[in-house]
This record gives sequence, C-alpha cells and structure tokens, in this order.
Amino acid sequence: EVQVVESGGGLVHPGGSLRLSCAASGFNVTRNFLSWVRQSPGKGLEWVSLIYPDGTTYYADSVKGRFTISRSVSNNMLFLQMDSLRAEDTALYYCEREGDFAVWGKGTTVTVSS
Amino acid sequence: SYELTQPSSVSVSQGQTARITCSGDLLAKKFARWLQRKPGQAPIVVIYKDDERPSGIPERFSGSSSGSTVTLTIRGAQLEDEADYFCYSATDTNRFFGGGTKLTVL
Repeated sequence: EVQVVESGGGLVHPGGSLRLSCAASGFNVTRNFLSWVRQSPGKGLEWVSLIYPDGTTYYADSVKGRFTISRSVSNNMLFLQMDSLRAEDTALYYCEREGDFAVWGKGTTVTVSS
Repeated sequence: SYELTQPSSVSVSQGQTARITCSGDLLAKKFARWLQRKPGQAPIVVIYKDDERPSGIPERFSGSSSGSTVTLTIRGAQLEDEADYFCYSATDTNRFFGGGTKLTVL
C-alpha cells in the first residue's frame, strides 16, 4: 500500500528548531516529487517546500532560508528541518507524494509558542 | 504568484448536485486537482488533471474545466461527502492552493 506517515511535530519556543519526518512506503522517495504543505489554525492550505526526483528543491518565500527539505534513500524518508521558528509557523504539516496518484498523510502538528 | 479563488461554503441537500468552482489565471495553462479533507483523516485527491477520477473515488465525483475556471461536481451528494474541498495547481517551482470550500450536506 502506498502511504506516507508524518512525525516529529511538537511544541517549540520561538527561534527554536524542529525536524519533521515523513516515512514513505510503497514507493521510492527518489523517484517522486514530494512536498510539504501546512495548514495554520483557521486558515487554508499553504505549500511549504518541494523536492524533485533529481534533488532540486524549492521553498515558499515565507520559509526560504529557514527551512530545509531533504530525503534519505536508505530509510526511504522525507524530512523538513525547520530553524528560526516563528509563531506564524504554527500549523498542521502534511507530507505529499505528488503526481496523478497523489498521497497525503494525516499530518503532524507544530506549535511555536513561548 | 497566482491566486486560486473558491467560495468559502456550499450547501446541498442529500441526493442533490453540488458544484464547487475554482478560478485563477494559472488554471488556463495548468491542470488542477481537487482535495477532500475531513477532520482527523488524511486528505485524499478526488480529481486530478482537471477531470480524471482516481480509482476508488465514487463516480458521483467529476471535474471539468473551462478557461480559467475548474469545477468539482458531486452528483447525488451523500452525507459522507461533507468535508472541506481544496483546488490546487502547480508551476515548475511552486504550488498554489485555493482557500477551500466547506461543503455541507443537509
């Protein structure tokens, strides 16, 4: 079964760091377009970052320079390293395998608060 | 940057047809997908490439496109179709989401 499962969310102080993980099963992370998408409380969905099969990465302006997307071939996982976190980064973070047969996880919650 | 505009809410009586629109310049040149999101569940794609339905999605879900507007149609809406629906599209370097439409099935 093709699925993704996010983990690593939690409560962090402003300025802190957190690393989200996305465990992929049923497909190879290096052969797919993968994205992180978030939904802040009371708001819509916001795209955060994207990694191409060839490793090229892209970021939303709101996180550029603070977040880093990466993947592990050996573990077949996707990651999002989040640094210099702000209150406005508080959200439910989803991992998505893109494409015609897109798959989303249930998400992991990040709360940035003092 | 591109904007995708959806109505914030749509209501439909059970068994009737619900239509949710999504408009934006990007849709005139890129495909759209429709995402169904229910609380506590993983979102699922109900339509991709404007009008393609993934396997396992009920036939009552369909999509269409005209110019810069795409439409999700649910014929014979069921109570279990009550959810938030998001349209989204992509360029090579970015992804864009509509604001979401809350579908209420009465």
